[in-house]
Amino acid sequence: NAGVTQTPKFQVLKTGQSMTLQCAQDMNHNSMYWYRQDPGMGLRLIYYSASEGTTDKGEVPNGYNVSRLNKREFSLRLESAAPSQTSVYFCASSKDRGRSPLHFGNGTRLTVT
Amino acid sequence: EDKVVQSPLSLVVHEGDTVTLNCSYEVTNFRSLLWYKQEKKAPTFLFMLTSSGIEKKSGRLSSILDKKELFSILNITATQTGDSAVYLCVFMAGGTSYGKLTFGQGTILTVHP
Repeated sequence: NAGVTQTPKFQVLKTGQSMTLQCAQDMNHNSMYWYRQDPGMGLRLIYYSASEGTTDKGEVPNGYNVSRLNKREFSLRLESAAPSQTSVYFCASSKDRGRSPLHFGNGTRLTVT
Repeated sequence: EDKVVQSPLSLVVHEGDTVTLNCSYEVTNFRSLLWYKQEKKAPTFLFMLTSSGIEKKSGRLSSILDKKELFSILNITATQTGDSAVYLCVFMAGGTSYGKLTFGQGTILTVHP
């Protein structure tokens, strides 16, 4: 079972460049999430999708956009990368938001120079 | 504001020792408490606790919740070097913040051979 798969694993961007982080889950989960993890800050929610067709902002949405492409896939886009977006990004999914645990992907380490 | 506090922040033990990790919380709408283990990559789900006094067990790991005193503990018996990780306590909200997760700062466990 693959679980939650994120690509790429590593990425280096220059300030102002754009990129999309891809996430797919094969557990038939309804809800999907994007988090960022920074030293001393813990995990912070960027956006989530409680079910296919819906997306909502989390704690730190500025500078990001998301697309729930279908039930399996949830992508995160940085339109104009900034050094403050240097972080480790985790995608996660759960069967139902608020009722079941999250299962995380292995993360994308992004550096913006 | 919901708050989750873990203690100790770090712990160093030798293989075979038993450890107890603590998590206390001050939250407005409790729904569940979750424990995760994070090694170098993704947080891995351990337990989800909703009811007081019912111990959940998986191999050498066990956890219990006390909703009256607002805390949870995670026990690891006969520790192994593979238990070295950051252990995260996570509160899941109900009510108007349904599904929102608040992460503790984590306990860094180091198990020496």
